[in-house]
Amino acid sequence: DGGITQSPKYLFRKEGQNVTLSCEQNLNHDAMYWYRQDPGQGLRLIYYSQIVNDFQKGDIAEGYSVSREKKESFPLTVTSAQKNPTAFYLCASSEHPGLLNEKLFFGSGTQLSVL
Amino acid sequence: GNSVTQMEGPVTLSEEAFLTINCTYTATGYPSLFWYVQYPGEGLQLLLKATKADDKGSNKGFEATYRKETTSFHLEKGSVQVSDSAVYFCALSAGSNYQLIWGAGTKLIIKP
Repeated sequence: DGGITQSPKYLFRKEGQNVTLSCEQNLNHDAMYWYRQDPGQGLRLIYYSQIVNDFQKGDIAEGYSVSREKKESFPLTVTSAQKNPTAFYLCASSEHPGLLNEKLFFGSGTQLSVL
Repeated sequence: GNSVTQMEGPVTLSEEAFLTINCTYTATGYPSLFWYVQYPGEGLQLLLKATKADDKGSNKGFEATYRKETTSFHLEKGSVQVSDSAVYFCALSAGSNYQLIWGAGTKLIIKP
């Protein structure tokens, strides 16, 4: 079955440590996205990529970095500069970036906590 | 700017009750409107969408009508089930890059 796989499901970060969240899709979608979800809040866009080797900052990119070296992979690194990283992180993809009524497909998320 | 406002939760109902979750929006131009659902421990799934005024989106017994005059996209279901317990997100797509703008989500709890 096609879909989006996020790993790990749970991740713990120590002070001053960088951690990387994995996101892989086999839907052959061009666009991929990273969202942060905090309790009682809507999703906030961290980074997005509409094509391989290109990505754009979202609303809350500070303290995060991404790469898009392969179409199917879009890893997110939470750096030590992100002072409040505890949140649920969601990866998504879409087939046709830039369309007004485009549907997003989501992974099952990674819960990141600080030790 | 563009924004989405949803009713605060949690909303607690008994099985077979009628459901309404309110969603209003502010947007320039002609946005598309969406409802996504998130079941416990999972990512979001598209529930329904509407792309122009007076369109009705429907899926799994849920409906929502795009009302431009009231800038609303309320989610309704005639008879809820325990399995409908989840968090429901209203969202709009607008602007030059068509990125989704999300509401805060409404948690729905259905009791047997």
